[in-house]
Amino acid sequence: DQQVKQNSPSLSVQEGRISILNCDYTNSMFDYFLWYKKYPAEGPTFLISISSIKDKNEDGRFTVFLNKSAKHLSLHIVPSQPGDSAVYFCAASHGSGNTGKLIFGQGTTLQVKP
Amino acid sequence: KAGVTQTPRYLIKTRGQQVTLSCSPISGHRSVSWYQQTPGQGLQFLFEYFSETQRNKGNFPGRFSGRQFSNSRSEMNVSTLELGDSALYLCASSVGQGLETQYFGPGTRLLVL
Repeated sequence: DQQVKQNSPSLSVQEGRISILNCDYTNSMFDYFLWYKKYPAEGPTFLISISSIKDKNEDGRFTVFLNKSAKHLSLHIVPSQPGDSAVYFCAASHGSGNTGKLIFGQGTTLQVKP
Repeated sequence: KAGVTQTPRYLIKTRGQQVTLSCSPISGHRSVSWYQQTPGQGLQFLFEYFSETQRNKGNFPGRFSGRQFSNSRSEMNVSTLELGDSALYLCASSVGQGLETQYFGPGTRLLVL
């Protein structure tokens, strides 16, 4: 039962353009969502998060949008840079007693071409 | 602050052996979670420890166990290793209260032959 889904295994964009990574979830109890960036053989690096009481959170070039009615979130990277090339995971958790338990999507590999 | 550290970084074991992995959280963090990453299953939650108690558990067999010490450092143990246990094992730490971010260590790459 895949509660968090990233339906696009890969995405390729040109340097300077916008990258949009998508994530869908099925569990309406999720109340905290995070995006991580990961390189092979390394641990995930935290990028940005959003709680379910918000619909947008912005940090520099990264913006996360949350649509609770559609159970959908997206990560926008503007402008995209070659150093952004990595695997991006969305993750979700629910309940104050469950924040230590993240449910991850399968990841989307982003390639930013110079 | 120093980040999450994990030791060892690489391990090679044979089937039937057991292994212990160690994780030191960020200073002040009381929650440590463990995850397994494999190509087929992605990142899967193993368990979480908070204040020396297991607070959450994933869907893994009893061969996978863990513990947390009073200084918040954590260990996970896998007994009777199987080939399918080959994976990147990641630990993450957080303060442990409310909605908050987990910060990950570099992982331990385990290869079971």
